[in-house]
Amino acid sequence: SQKIEQNSEALNIQEGKTATLTCNYTNYSPAYLQWYRQDPGRGPVFLLLIRENEKEKRKERLKVTFDTTLKQSLFHITASQPADSATYLCASEGGSYIPTFGRGTSLIVHP
Amino acid sequence: EADIYQTPRYLVIGTGKKITLECSQTMGHDKMYWYQQDPGMELHLIHYSYGVNSTEKGDLSSESTVSRIRTEHFPLTLESARPSHTSQYLCASSEPGRRSYNEQFFGPGTRLTVL
Repeated sequence: SQKIEQNSEALNIQEGKTATLTCNYTNYSPAYLQWYRQDPGRGPVFLLLIRENEKEKRKERLKVTFDTTLKQSLFHITASQPADSATYLCASEGGSYIPTFGRGTSLIVHP
Repeated sequence: EADIYQTPRYLVIGTGKKITLECSQTMGHDKMYWYQQDPGMELHLIHYSYGVNSTEKGDLSSESTVSRIRTEHFPLTLESARPSHTSQYLCASSEPGRRSYNEQFFGPGTRLTVL
């Protein structure tokens, strides 16, 4: 089955910098990867999806890449703000078309 | 804001009690899911449904049961709660069909504490 690995250490950055989060998958190349934002005590909120035939996807200050050679997706937030502080989850296509989620990486943006 | 609701948001109960966690969505989604999540940990799928009268067990073994009598409603029941059931329970739904790529809409969650 697919396994999603995300850095368990929190990422601390200064306001205005670009945050880059990493998601690695271990087995087959998934048809897509999804990124979600989760705030403490809340359910995840969908942000972006990138398909296997897409190298890059953008939405406002967010950018996602998909590298099938490295089995990796990178999630970038440009001009980061303290309000971007949250946990970001990566999910890939799993069996029966149900996404498999990673543990998430906590992002802390300092003013 | 996703139109998926969970009640109660917080629940503290004693061991051995029977509880039902409610989940409703107004988006007409066929697929619905229940996840369990401990702090700082990944979401574990415990149950899912493809539609009315369809229920499946997920990857995480669970002592809970679910039912899907109506499209919009997917309650989860614990017959006899134990302290090991203490966790956050998240309900989600997604649009049917491969084209949707299974973007999941989550409810706010129920934080369950069993004493």
